[in-house]
Amino acid sequence: EAQVTQNPRYLITVTGKKLTVTCSQNMNHEYMSWYRQDPGLGLRQIYYSMNVEVTDKGDVPEGYKVSRKEKRNFPLILESPSPNQTSLYFCASSFHRATEAFFGQGTRLTVV
Amino acid sequence: SQQGEEDPQALSIQEGENATMNCSYKTSINNLQWYRQNSGRGLVHLILIRSNEREKHSGRLRVTLDTSKKSSSLLITASRAADTASYFCATEPPSGSARQLTFGSGTQLTVLP
Repeated sequence: EAQVTQNPRYLITVTGKKLTVTCSQNMNHEYMSWYRQDPGLGLRQIYYSMNVEVTDKGDVPEGYKVSRKEKRNFPLILESPSPNQTSLYFCASSFHRATEAFFGQGTRLTVV
Repeated sequence: SQQGEEDPQALSIQEGENATMNCSYKTSINNLQWYRQNSGRGLVHLILIRSNEREKHSGRLRVTLDTSKKSSSLLITASRAADTASYFCATEPPSGSARQLTFGSGTQLTVLP
């Protein structure tokens, strides 16, 4: 089954404790992105990747890192999480940049 | 930055009625897409309409695109309680950018049984 898998689904952490949210897709897609969703703000792009070892900043990259060492995986790293990073995070992948995007189920992160 | 803006922000209708949501965007596009999101879940692709198309149908969905007005509408006919969700339009970024889609803030649709 074609899917994008994120883990964990829920995470509560403390300020400053490094964490990684994993994302994996099984569709051999070139493009992958991370979004955060906050009430009233819609989805905002954090980082995106056009292919292995090619990543770039989206609209709200501060406080986040990503890597794309393999085509299927695109982890999101928060080196020192802060409460303003409390949000619902989505990973998405697509074959080309503007074709149908497939989304993971989301990771609800709370930073206290 | 947000490219698409949906209108209205919230819509409540009775089961069986039609629901219309609108999306306005700012820059030229090659295609526009609509997605649905059930509460707290991932977005699901509904339909894609290209800039050279004016109307497209998929089941109970009808999408129109007016590139001269930079706007699109999503019509859901004969709505069902299961259609209750948030609906987002998404546009591709300006040419020259490698980014993926840019989403609006969504329309929350509630279909009352």
